[in-house]
Amino acid sequence: DQQVKQNSPSLSVQEGRISILNCDYTNSMFDYFLWYKKYPAEGPTFLISISSIKDKNEDGRFTVFLNKSAKHLSLHIVPSQPGDSAVYFCAASTKYNFNKFYFGSGTKLNVKP
Amino acid sequence: DTAVSQTPKYLVTQMGNDKSIKCEQNLGHDTMYWYKQDSKKFLKIMFSYNNKELIINETVPNRFSPKSPDKAHLNLHINSLELGDSAVYFCASSPFASETQYFGPGTRLLVL
Repeated sequence: DQQVKQNSPSLSVQEGRISILNCDYTNSMFDYFLWYKKYPAEGPTFLISISSIKDKNEDGRFTVFLNKSAKHLSLHIVPSQPGDSAVYFCAASTKYNFNKFYFGSGTKLNVKP
Repeated sequence: DTAVSQTPKYLVTQMGNDKSIKCEQNLGHDTMYWYKQDSKKFLKIMFSYNNKELIINETVPNRFSPKSPDKAHLNLHINSLELGDSAVYFCASSPFASETQYFGPGTRLLVL
């Protein structure tokens, strides 16, 4: 029973355009969400996070949006660059169990030059 | 200078064997984790240790036994390996109750 789902296994975008990666969750107790980026043969690296008290968090070219009523979050990358090509995982946790994160299965982003 | 390192990177072994994967972090973090990335690519937490004490133990077969000799190391020993154990295993660390975890490069285990 997967509590965090990324339904798009892959996404292809032209360089300079916007990339939108989506994530859905089922547990209404989740109140902290993160995105990780993973290159081949490396471990995931933290990218950006958002707490449930916010609906948007921005860091440079990366913005995460949270829609609590829909239990949905998305990561926007604009403008997309070839170096952004990687697998992106979303993850969620509750403040009562901050060390335990539930991860999605990842979306592989390919940014074409 | 690698922050979270795992050895070996690749491990190919026969069913029934016992094997260990080592993890070390030089970030001074209190908490360490083991994750399994299965064939469907989900990253699932297996164990978490804080200052050498077990704090998370998911539903993992008894054949998996973590060992934390000090807070910089968290090793994973697997007895009687089965085909279904084939996966990529990631070690991670974080400051206690921090949302940001730092992952190792992963160990790709293949059981034949």
